[in-house]
Amino acid sequence: AQTVTQSQPEMSVQEAETVTLSCTYDTSESDYYLFWYKQPPSRQMILVIRQEAYKQQNATENRFSVNFQKAAKSFSLKISDSQLGDAAMYFCAYRSLSSGDKLTFGTGTRLAVRP
Amino acid sequence: ETGVTQSPTHLIKTRGQQVTLRCSSQSGHNTVSWYQQALGQGPQFIFQYYREEENGRGNFPPRFSGLQFPNYSSELNVNALELDDSALYLCASSSPSGGTDTQYFGPGTRLTVL
Repeated sequence: AQTVTQSQPEMSVQEAETVTLSCTYDTSESDYYLFWYKQPPSRQMILVIRQEAYKQQNATENRFSVNFQKAAKSFSLKISDSQLGDAAMYFCAYRSLSSGDKLTFGTGTRLAVRP
Repeated sequence: ETGVTQSPTHLIKTRGQQVTLRCSSQSGHNTVSWYQQALGQGPQFIFQYYREEENGRGNFPPRFSGLQFPNYSSELNVNALELDDSALYLCASSSPSGGTDTQYFGPGTRLTVL
């Protein structure tokens, strides 16, 4: 079974600075997807970024980018120029291509942004 | 384009009762997945429906059941509620066959069991 580990329960960053959230996962599969979702206090899970395992190039979405290290099974999220609106819970998630469409989530990292 | 919606927003039930939660998928999406998120935890996969059939299930007992309707909306039913069923229930829609394999989530239903 796949597992996703987020070892940082809480992180804090100064507004306009850069922060990196860590995620590792365990799988025996070679093809899969990885996601970062943001969950603000409003509770709605919002997709931040996704990465296909077969792509070597790291995904980027505006201020958000990932460092995908397939051999190390690591998938970290970098947030540049942090904004107050980035404060939220961030969840890393794994999706196998062989076990349907289910997502396996980590336990989350709470990000605080200091003004 | 309408996003994923869920109803109700909040619900309070007592132990032993039954509850039905509802989800309307995003336009064009034919797959609905349900997740349970306990306080301070990541979401846990309950089950998924594709074209009105269950298409995968997590480690949840049979008292968690569901339906998907021809318009792809879905219901989650929980019988014989237990205190540990108190959680945020999230619905997500996608359309893997249509090239949209990313899951888009609704705002959730907060269930409290007393």
